[in-house]
Amino acid sequence: GAGVSQSPRYKVAKRGQDVALRCDPISGHVSLFWYQQALGQGPEFLTYFQNEAQLDKSGLPSDRFFAERPEGSVSTLKIQRTQQEDSAVYLCASSLRGIAYEQYFGPGTRLTVT
Amino acid sequence: AQTVTQSQPEMSVQEAETVTLSCTYDTSENNYYLFWYKQPPSRQMILVIRQEAYKQQNATENRFSVNFQKAAKSFSLKISDSQLGDTAMYFCAFMKKDFGNEKLTFGTGTRLTIIP
Repeated sequence: GAGVSQSPRYKVAKRGQDVALRCDPISGHVSLFWYQQALGQGPEFLTYFQNEAQLDKSGLPSDRFFAERPEGSVSTLKIQRTQQEDSAVYLCASSLRGIAYEQYFGPGTRLTVT
Repeated sequence: AQTVTQSQPEMSVQEAETVTLSCTYDTSENNYYLFWYKQPPSRQMILVIRQEAYKQQNATENRFSVNFQKAAKSFSLKISDSQLGDTAMYFCAFMKKDFGNEKLTFGTGTRLTIIP
């Protein structure tokens, strides 16, 4: 079946612009995660949803970052007034909560802020 | 807070040889999971192997096995009979066993190159 998909795959934004990154999880997956991966680094946790509830947003680096999952499926990560330090790959992952704890990752969105 | 350390930024090995990637972690938790994820150049992260901390037996998946030393907080990955398709970034990751807190904490990764 289809895996986790993300769009766009690449995004170039001018500093100060707002961006929206979309994640389509595997159908039926309850849990959804966003991670930020800077160049040459491991992914770092941003936020976690269980269905539509955002249970953990402790990793969001500033109040410019906002995530939602209004119907418990598709999620959007929004970054307002982008800064150069926001340049990274943004990974989305989903899992069947309580089943094997395996997270399935999407291909990521590479954001470049110029 | 948990930390995961991978001290080998890059490794290379000849095809068909065995290679071991190291990982250490620091936590005060007693119930947790450890993972190795593979990230090929296409960037889609794939789970390689998982270990539950309460299980003493080391996990194995075909050519992949781990050496889990709980007291030493060490979790190394052994790849036997390495293949060209094993070339990738490998990340060690930690997850606390806690409903409502399933986030992964990753190490900085090891870039593995299999040489033909």
